[in-house]
Amino acid sequence: GENVEQHPSTLSVQEGDSAVIKCTYSDSASNYFPWYKQELGKRPQLIIDIRSNVGEKKDQRIAVTLNKTAKHFSLHITETQPEDSAVYFCAASTPNAGGTSYGKLTFGQGTILTVHP
Amino acid sequence: DSGVTQTPKHLITATGQRVTLRCSPRSGDLSVYWYQQSLDQGLQFLIQYYNGEERAKGNILERFSAQQFPDLHSELNLSSLELGDSALYFCASSVSASGSYEQYFGPGTRLTVT
Repeated sequence: GENVEQHPSTLSVQEGDSAVIKCTYSDSASNYFPWYKQELGKRPQLIIDIRSNVGEKKDQRIAVTLNKTAKHFSLHITETQPEDSAVYFCAASTPNAGGTSYGKLTFGQGTILTVHP
Repeated sequence: DSGVTQTPKHLITATGQRVTLRCSPRSGDLSVYWYQQSLDQGLQFLIQYYNGEERAKGNILERFSAQQFPDLHSELNLSSLELGDSALYFCASSVSASGSYEQYFGPGTRLTVT
């Protein structure tokens, strides 16, 4: 099955700096890659996603890039703020053998991002 | 607020017991997914239902089962509970059975088995 590796496990930055989190996936058939932000004790919140037919997507201070050849994707947060502090998860969704997707997400292990004021 | 609701928020029970977790998807979403989050295993997919039918299974234990009702709410049943079943259980919903659509998570149920 799909395996998603996420790095780093912890990331500490100063307010205003950029933060980059990287993920690799194993199944070349994976076609959807969302990123979730989870604050302590709260639900994972979808912050951005990218589909396999797109190389880059941006939404204000966050962007995601996808390299299908290398099977890796990254989250970029610019001008970080203390409220960006949270655990970030990447995920991948893989179609079944028939080509339609079951929809299950395989998650990375998470990155604890701390933004210091 | 994602529009996905889950009850109860917290559940404390003893080993060997059985519990039922409930999830109501966002209005219009036909697909419900259940995930387990624990410190050692991270976020793990358990099972997916689409419009009342089971669509996919993850590493769900035989002691666990789920169903989706005609009104599209879903229940996750956990039986013969063990200490290791203590975790956060999330459901998520999506408009489609396809994995290429956004999944929105509910607030979760924190299960503590003593």
